[in-house]
Amino acid sequence: DVKVTQSSRYLVKRTGEKVFLECVQDMDHENMFWYRQDPGLGLRLIYFSYDVKMKEKGDIPEGYSVSREKKERFSLILESASTNQTSMYLCASSFPHGQPRAYEQYFGPGTRLTVT
Amino acid sequence: AQSVAQPEDQVNVAEGNPLTVKCTYSVSGNPYLFWYVQYPNRGLQFLLKYITGDNLVKGSYGFEAEFNKSQTSFHLKKPSALVSDSALYFCAVRDLNNNAGNMLTFGGGTRLMVKP
Repeated sequence: DVKVTQSSRYLVKRTGEKVFLECVQDMDHENMFWYRQDPGLGLRLIYFSYDVKMKEKGDIPEGYSVSREKKERFSLILESASTNQTSMYLCASSFPHGQPRAYEQYFGPGTRLTVT
Repeated sequence: AQSVAQPEDQVNVAEGNPLTVKCTYSVSGNPYLFWYVQYPNRGLQFLLKYITGDNLVKGSYGFEAEFNKSQTSFHLKKPSALVSDSALYFCAVRDLNNNAGNMLTFGGGTRLMVKP
């Protein structure tokens, strides 16, 4: 089975702190994603990466950056955390385009971040 | 741009009764449609997908979904609900603007409550 792990289940940070959220997948997937989940808004894509060192902005990239130095690891960085970034953050991975299961995304358990 | 709508924030059903969770979509071209489920304190899990072929798609845990092109709908169904089906359900559609990352656009989610 695909396993996507996230470094923390719960995180509390102060306004202005730099925050790192780590995600690791063990299925050699090319694609990796970071979403935030807020009630009533569903999942919104922050960034995705389709290869090592490659990244593209999603729908809400402002205030975030990402890093993908190794294929299995995709990090989300909040450069200066703010209270409106309090949310559930979900990481996902998938096979590349053209494969039969290309659009099935596999999700980690999520990190609930609170910024005070 | 593509979008999905889940018109109900919450669906309540008694155990043993049939359940339906609604989803409508808007997309140019042929849609790729998905259902994901999120159990409490866990990440999203893939349930089923429609890409082509039979309009009735069967997935995990006894769920099925019916693709209706004329009504642009992809409703999730189960003949007999279980209390353990209580969860948050998300409908999603393939993002046609970018093939590299296999991105999905998610609906806002519907909470299913199955009561004994």
